[in-house]
Amino acid sequence: DTEVTQTPKHLVMGMTNKKSLKCEQHMGHRAMYWYKQKAKKPPELMFVYSYEKLSINESVPSRFSPECPNSSLLNLHLHALQPEDSALYLCASSQVQGTDTDTQYFGPGTRLTVL
Amino acid sequence: ELKVEQNPLFLSMQEGKNYTIYCNYSTTSDRLYWYRQDPGKSLESLFVLLSNGAVKQEGRLMASLDTKARLSTLHITAAVHDLSATYFCAVATSGTYKYIFGTGTRLKVLA
Repeated sequence: DTEVTQTPKHLVMGMTNKKSLKCEQHMGHRAMYWYKQKAKKPPELMFVYSYEKLSINESVPSRFSPECPNSSLLNLHLHALQPEDSALYLCASSQVQGTDTDTQYFGPGTRLTVL
Repeated sequence: ELKVEQNPLFLSMQEGKNYTIYCNYSTTSDRLYWYRQDPGKSLESLFVLLSNGAVKQEGRLMASLDTKARLSTLHITAAVHDLSATYFCAVATSGTYKYIFGTGTRLKVLA
């Protein structure tokens, strides 16, 4: 099973709402990632969890709050977002570094619209 | 700060032709990746290149890595319409999980 799943597929929220994005993988990967992708732009790294611990935070605003409850799950909690936060949010997972299997598997993404 | 540039940004080519996409990066890296993205879809992994001189091929696509020049190429042989997509290279800062994506190359193969 080389699948990363994300829910929901689409999300529309107001600037005062609180919502969460969910990501799950069952490949035994110990690194999980959140990316933000605006239209016609490359993905931008937001957060990396390694062995369930936050290892990279790319100076993301505090209205985005990641959580890694266990080795298979990754959440992104959203609160008081701005319209410019509308984007495709991609989750990915990977094995350890430096091997031929060291590639990121991406989920289908959540398309977020902030009104 | 690691920067990754691709060229060309846009590529329109006839079926059957060959072409090369270039990926340059600014600092030392030990891993380079190529991905494909179809419109409205997620990213699909194509190649992982881990050492200088690495070459990998899958179908009509071949990727290579020159770490001394900080350059990777994705060569397309005898293009077909199904290859139309956006292609991204991504570079990982040495020893970290920090991946930086290139600007992307939007490829359109004309029948």
